[in-house]
Amino acid sequence: DARVTQTPRDKVTEMGQEVTMRCQPILGHNTVFWYRQTMMQGLELLAYFRNRAPLDDSGMPKDRFSAEMPDATLATLKIQPSEPRDSAVYFCASGLSGQTWPPQTGELFFGEGSRLTVL
Amino acid sequence: KQEVTQIPAALSVPEGENLVLNCSFTDSAIYNLQWFRQDPGKGLTSLLLIQSSQREQTSGRLNASLDKSSGRSTLYIAASQPGDSATYLCAGNSNSGYALNFGKGTSLLVTP
Repeated sequence: DARVTQTPRDKVTEMGQEVTMRCQPILGHNTVFWYRQTMMQGLELLAYFRNRAPLDDSGMPKDRFSAEMPDATLATLKIQPSEPRDSAVYFCASGLSGQTWPPQTGELFFGEGSRLTVL
Repeated sequence: KQEVTQIPAALSVPEGENLVLNCSFTDSAIYNLQWFRQDPGKGLTSLLLIQSSQREQTSGRLNASLDKSSGRSTLYIAASQPGDSATYLCAGNSNSGYALNFGKGTSLLVTP
């Protein structure tokens, strides 16, 4: 049963600490997204990759957040240093996008999320 | 940036009722539209995908339609059941990129 896998599921840390979240997309999917969900803002796009190349990271605070995709089976989201306002659920999603225009990713599949609490 | 509005924000109905959830986009040039379901503490589960060449999709008791001229989509749930209680989110992309922009969801409660 193909699914997006995220670790850790829950993370509690203190302000100033580094946090790394990992995502294993569905095998064969070429587009990977990072979203953040809060009660106030809903789901916000942080960054995404297509064929491992970063296409958009405009939703991320650049001074503390970084996203990478070292290989096709792993995407990472790092926060350093973490702050209480970063507390949220972070979701990874993957899909298969083609070369045609307009841009279409096809059906998007989400992981269970990483719940981050920064004290 | 594509802005997505979902109405109503919350809905409570008795079991057996048919219901409609609404979604609207500021940019009517929508290429992919997807409806999701989210249970508390869980990830998003894909329900229906309407691709650029399509106007409607059906799965079981669910039917989603997209009117590109107005930038509006509806999700119709027939014969609602308590197990349908969840938050329903719609999302779409436009020519600005591959990412989906999400509404804030409709929280649905179906009472026995």
